[in-house]
Amino acid sequence: EDKVVQSPLSLVVHEGDTVTLNCSYEVTNFRSLLWYKQEKKAPTFLFMLTSSGIEKKSGRLSSILDKKELFSILNITATQTGDSAIYLCAVGSYNTDKLIFGTGTRLQVFP
Amino acid sequence: DGGITQSPKYLFRKEGQNVTLSCEQNLNHDAMYWYRQDPGQGLRLIYYSQIVNDFQKGDIAEGYSVSREKKESFPLTVTSAQKNPTAFYLCASTRVGQGPYEQYFGPGTRLTVT
Repeated sequence: EDKVVQSPLSLVVHEGDTVTLNCSYEVTNFRSLLWYKQEKKAPTFLFMLTSSGIEKKSGRLSSILDKKELFSILNITATQTGDSAIYLCAVGSYNTDKLIFGTGTRLQVFP
Repeated sequence: DGGITQSPKYLFRKEGQNVTLSCEQNLNHDAMYWYRQDPGQGLRLIYYSQIVNDFQKGDIAEGYSVSREKKESFPLTVTSAQKNPTAFYLCASTRVGQGPYEQYFGPGTRLTVT
């Protein structure tokens, strides 16, 4: 059965810290891995990683995909209170039109 | 502005009543999805539709029903058969084609059944 596992489930840090969020997956016929940020309501898209794009960066956020070891990490440097959110990882497969979501990592950043 | 709208934002119902959640998109996306989110459980897929007048069950379809009569609209009915309907419901849409494409999400509806 396809699955996506995120760790840690929860993380509490102080402003300025660097955090690393993990996402491992077991998916048949992997196509893409997506990261979303969810504050109060709608998840907002951060990155998509595929075989042709295994590293992405936007400001203080960056992500890499390791297709051999079947995981991805999301790095946030110099964290701010506005980074507090649930970070969701989702994986797409060539076998299906669905995304498989992990349980998410809840990040809390305190001043 | 293009996007996905869900209404209402909060919904309260008594046990035994059916309730319909609205989802509308003006992104011209072919595919639409309904997810349920419970604390600590991520997003679980209820139903999805790739084209008008066609839809497929997701992982937790029991107690729910959908229709897709128009490309822009994908309403979800939570029936009295759903054992534990209190949850946060998210609607999403995406393009269909070569891909892959990201899914865009609506703001969600929080349903409370007592």
